[in-house]
Amino acid sequence: QVHLEQSGAQVKKPGSSVKVSCKVSGGTLSSYSFSWVRQAPGHGLEWMGGIVPFIGSTKYAEKFQERFTITTDESTSTVYMELSSLRSEDTAVYYCASDISPDNVFFDYWGQGTLVTVSS
Amino acid sequence: DIHMTQSPSTLSAYVGDRVTITCRASQSISTWLAWYQQKPGKAPKLLMYKVSSLEDGVPSRFSGSGSGTEFSLTISSLQPDDFATYYCQQYNSYPRTFGQGTKVEIK
Repeated sequence: QVHLEQSGAQVKKPGSSVKVSCKVSGGTLSSYSFSWVRQAPGHGLEWMGGIVPFIGSTKYAEKFQERFTITTDESTSTVYMELSSLRSEDTAVYYCASDISPDNVFFDYWGQGTLVTVSS
Repeated sequence: DIHMTQSPSTLSAYVGDRVTITCRASQSISTWLAWYQQKPGKAPKLLMYKVSSLEDGVPSRFSGSGSGTEFSLTISSLQPDDFATYYCQQYNSYPRTFGQGTKVEIK
């Protein structure tokens, strides 16, 4: 079964960017689709966007469209997310999640989460 | 965007109780609905998809029903391990959206 291992917690200044990695093991990138879901402290889950590595297709939630990018590195079986122009409201735990379908429908495997803190 | 609304936001119950959580979509999503369980400090865990299909390893005391805009998750006999927050998620269209969550607490 797929295992998703995310990079560690980060503290960032407002206006900067953050990049979080999600290393995939137990399966190949091309066999799955991947999404990023975030959870602000004490709040619910928010889907940010997804990628289908097999066809290189990405979809983003409109509210993140301008400053959010998902990429993959097939050579290291890693999925990345980068969020720019950070503000305090971006403080959250960021999860990568996988789906066996090629369309990011529902998510059966999740990473452990990465806390990103945005603070001056 | 499709807005998902869960009720109640918090539910207090005893071990052994039958509990039901409701999820309402702002427009029809057919049966494209999943449910997740999340415990504090942990990633969400998929419970079921397509309204009522249980993920492997999920106990049969969990069941789901509904179609269109009204859905429910039922736990037939609440166990200590079930105290957690539950989220519905639609995958009828992009962006994928979640309900705000229902916290199931021990009474």
